[in-house]
Amino acid sequence: QVQLQESGPGLVKPSGTLSLTCAVSGGSIDSSHWWSWVRQPPGKGLEWIGEIYHSGSTTYNPSLTSRVTISVDKSKNHFSLNLTPVTAADTAVYYCARWNTGRVGYFDIWGRGTLVAVSS
Amino acid sequence: DIQMTQSPSSLSASVGDTVTITCRASQSIITYVNWYQQKPGKAPKLLIYAASTLQSGVPSRFSGSGSGTDFTLTISSLQPEDFATYYCHQTYNTNTFGQGTKLEIK
Repeated sequence: QVQLQESGPGLVKPSGTLSLTCAVSGGSIDSSHWWSWVRQPPGKGLEWIGEIYHSGSTTYNPSLTSRVTISVDKSKNHFSLNLTPVTAADTAVYYCARWNTGRVGYFDIWGRGTLVAVSS
Repeated sequence: DIQMTQSPSSLSASVGDTVTITCRASQSIITYVNWYQQKPGKAPKLLIYAASTLQSGVPSRFSGSGSGTDFTLTISSLQPEDFATYYCHQTYNTNTFGQGTKLEIK
């Protein structure tokens, strides 16, 4: 059973860099899936940030593309998110999720999420 | 961008009721829509994909329908554990989610 676990600082200063890692366990990141980041500001809805394939190919949300980098480390079986520069509007719970490339594609496995606050 | 508009934004119902949540896409997305359930402090959980296919392990009281621009999620015979927030999600063109429907106990 594949499981995902996010990790990283819970507090980032404005104009700084938000860096998170998603560890994949119970399976290989080298499988035929894309790996995504999704965020949720407190009390609000879900926003897709971007995704990566084990080859390193990426796709980003057009509204965030200038600030986002997603990378993969196959040797550590994890993928990472960098978002910079950040503002208070980037305060959110950040989830990593597995994209299942089925008939229409869907997120079938999610991490538990990690809250990142942007504040001085 | 494809916008997904859910209605209602909140809904009160009783155990045993049947409820329907609607999602309208800003353009045709064929059947490229999924539905998720989210409980407070938890990650979303996939319920239905491709508009009407039930994810493995999801109770059969959940059903989805629709194509083109209009989609519905129906929950029959509501159980106490069904009170949560529900999101639709289109995958026709990148990814966007509806704003959510909070289902509360009456």
